Amino acid sequence: NAGVTQTPKFRVLKTGQSMTLLCAQDMNHEYMYWYRQDPGMGLRLIHYSVGEGTTAKGEVPDGYNVSRLKKQNFLLGLESAAPSQTSVYFCASSPLVGEQFFGPGTRLTVL
Amino acid sequence: AQSVTQLGSHVSVSEGALVLLRCNYSSSVPPYLFWYVQYPNQGLQLLLKYTSAATLVKGINGFEAEFKKSETSFHLTKPSAHMSDAAEYFCAVAPNYGQNFVFGPGTRLSVLP
Repeated sequence: NAGVTQTPKFRVLKTGQSMTLLCAQDMNHEYMYWYRQDPGMGLRLIHYSVGEGTTAKGEVPDGYNVSRLKKQNFLLGLESAAPSQTSVYFCASSPLVGEQFFGPGTRLTVL
Repeated sequence: AQSVTQLGSHVSVSEGALVLLRCNYSSSVPPYLFWYVQYPNQGLQLLLKYTSAATLVKGINGFEAEFKKSETSFHLTKPSAHMSDAAEYFCAVAPNYGQNFVFGPGTRLSVLP
């Protein structure tokens, strides 16, 4: 099993550009999450999904959109990137009962 | 609302010394508690978890943590630090097992030779 994978690993954007981060899991988990990690702030939840076709806002959802059209995939979109969105983004998944499993992260820089 | 405090953003210990990383939480209900480790340029990996069974929880790589309800703490310890333990450690709390984790800010552990 690959676990949780994220694409791409690195990306540099200019202010105002858009992009989509892809998260895939092969563990048949119900729940999926997108976090951002910034120095000294731990992980902050952006959006999450409790099942295919459902999404919900987390702690810091502004400027991001998500979709979960298939159970194994969770996409995070930035419609108009801003320098404040420079961060490391982590995807995670979990079963109905159990701990979260994390992907390796995507390092995004917005110039 | 739940919250997690980790005392000390950076802890340094000598190789072979005791490792103690502190975690305090606030929660209105008995929580589930977790410690994750993050090695440089990697994702988070579960070290151990408390799920209301034994209060002393043993994890991977020789780490353990004790749940103390009266102190609302879940401190992480290891008797003897190894160079390979150098990483960032995150404590997390969840009201439900598997959902809506709240992470602490993290503690970076350095191990000195």
